[in-house]
Formats: sequence, C-alpha cells, structure tokens
Amino acid sequence: EVQLVESGGGLVQPGRSLRLSCTTSGFMFGDYAMSWFRQAPGEGLEWIGLITRRRNGETTEYAASVKGRFTISRDDTKSIAYLQMNGLKTEDTAVYYCVRGLGRISKYWGQGTRVTVSS
Amino acid sequence: DIQMTQSPSSLSASLGDRVTITCQASQDISKHLNWYQQKPGKAPNLLIYDASYLEVGVPSRFSGSGSGTDFTFTISSLQSEDIATYYCQQYDNLPRTFGQGTRLDIK
Repeated sequence: EVQLVESGGGLVQPGRSLRLSCTTSGFMFGDYAMSWFRQAPGEGLEWIGLITRRRNGETTEYAASVKGRFTISRDDTKSIAYLQMNGLKTEDTAVYYCVRGLGRISKYWGQGTRVTVSS
Repeated sequence: DIQMTQSPSSLSASLGDRVTITCQASQDISKHLNWYQQKPGKAPNLLIYDASYLEVGVPSRFSGSGSGTDFTFTISSLQSEDIATYYCQQYDNLPRTFGQGTRLDIK
C-alpha cells in the first residue's frame, strides 16, 4: 500500500525556518518525482514545487510565491522528501501536502501537516 | 501562469439531482485536467484525470468532459456522500494551477 506521511509542522514565528518531511512507503521512491502543495485555512489548493528523480537530475521547480525561500530535496536511501522553508511569512500558514509524482495525475497524497506562522 | 476559472463557487442541490461544474483555462491545456474531491480535514481525492478518465474505484456517477479550454464535471445523481468541495487542476504546464473550488451541499 502506497503511503505518504508528512511531519514537522507546527507553530513558528515570522522569519524563522521549518523543515517538513514526507516519509513514504509501499513504492520504489527513487522511481518517482515528488511534489508539494499547500492549502491556507479556508482557501483553495496551491502548488509549491517539485523535485524530479535522481536519473532526471533531481531538478527542482518552485512557485513564484516561495522561490528563493523554500527548498525541496530528497533522500532516496530513506524514501523521504523534504521541504525546507526559510524566511517564513504569515501568508505561509497552511496545511502542507506531499504528493507522489510531478503533480500531473496525482492519486497519492499525504494526510497533510499544519504550519502556522505567527508571532 | 495558466488561470483556471471554475464555476459556480458554491452549489446547493437535492439528492438525486444532476450536478454540473465548469472549469475554463486561460489557454489551451489539451486534456491535461484533473478533478478532485476534498472533504473537510482530508487531502484531495483524485476522481477524474485526462479530463474524462475515471480513476479506479471512483463511482460511475462521476464524469468529466472537455478539451482545450473548456471542461465540465458532472455528478449524474447526487448522493449524500458527495457533499464536498471540488477542484479542477491543470497539469499542462508549470506552475500547476487549480480552480477556486466549488462547494457542494444539499438543498
């Protein structure tokens, strides 16, 4: 069974950093790109970024709203994807989801982890 | 960025009704469109991909159609478990973008 479990969320002050993890199981992690999405309270869904497979160079792409502040990485030996969030702003408050794949036909989502940016 | 305009933003219907949601892309996205269902506190659930293909395990009362810029999502006979918010999403290009969502409830 494919499983994705996000962790690392919590309450953080503006300007601080947080690293989210997406721990996966049930599939060959190294064969898939990984994406991150988020959803602010009461709002719609927003794509944040993606990281390709190692064989595709572990290329990353980001939404304009997070580019330069957020970094996606992966550890294929542990089957974990990461979202490093620096310079957090109040508008980054959201539930963060990791998703298997390039954000195309995205069947497998984690349950989400909540990040609250507030002083 | 490709803008996705979804309508209506909310919809009330009776059980057994036929429900239709539309999504318009700001440019041609071929058939690179998903429809998701999201219930409160849950992750989105993929219902339709490639504009019209039903994901495995999804009831046949759900359907999708369209290509290019205009797309339609239909529930043929509304059931109580269909109460949720529905989103379209394009994957023709980066950044992936979503419609604003349609909140569906029972009249």
